[in-house]
Amino acid sequence: RKEVEQDPGPFNVPEGATVAFNCTYSNSASQSFFWYRQDCRKEPKLLMSVYSSGNEDGRFTAQLNRASQYISLLIRDSKLSDSATYLCAVDNSGTYKYIFGTGTRLKVLA
Amino acid sequence: GAVVSQHPSWVICKSGTSVKIECRSLDFQATTMFWYRQFPKQSLMLMATSNEGSKATYEQGVEKDKFLINHASLTLSTLTVTSAHPEDSSFYICSARGRTGPGTDTQYFGPGTRLTVL
Repeated sequence: RKEVEQDPGPFNVPEGATVAFNCTYSNSASQSFFWYRQDCRKEPKLLMSVYSSGNEDGRFTAQLNRASQYISLLIRDSKLSDSATYLCAVDNSGTYKYIFGTGTRLKVLA
Repeated sequence: GAVVSQHPSWVICKSGTSVKIECRSLDFQATTMFWYRQFPKQSLMLMATSNEGSKATYEQGVEKDKFLINHASLTLSTLTVTSAHPEDSSFYICSARGRTGPGTDTQYFGPGTRLTVL
């Protein structure tokens, strides 16, 4: 079993839709969690950190479920510009050595 | 915001040659730099962790003699792919960890270097 797993997609959604991605992790001692966005042939860019209590940044909401060992990302009112690959990252040891999932590809359709 | 640069952004080389990739933190001192590799449609895989003034620590399965890392200063780390072969063709991305302000110890990614070995 991979340490961090994501559904590769693609998720094809119409503009304005709400879409959610999950990311499961295997190490129950994992300390920090992040969502990154990666555009084609570009580096990943931090979208948001995931806090225990859940957090929201505009149209994006991230949640952590430690009991079931997954994090989620919810995107509301999808825009064409949200089309990208969304990577989750987990820091197991607090050393910033991130383990990334393979990413979930999102296509927002006009 | 904090910026990490990489040079070159892309490189094409012949099999057997060595390629050096630079990673610089432009407006902060990086206590640690990380080197990742990403093959097409795959995840970023951590190759090694580089601390200024000390030897890099490599992840399991990464050959330290093939991927030479030098962290000469708090703003510069280099990765040299020695005797490159076509299977080394990949997207190499560095990240730098450092403080860019009070309570902002975080990690910033460089734009990546696309290596193609013919």
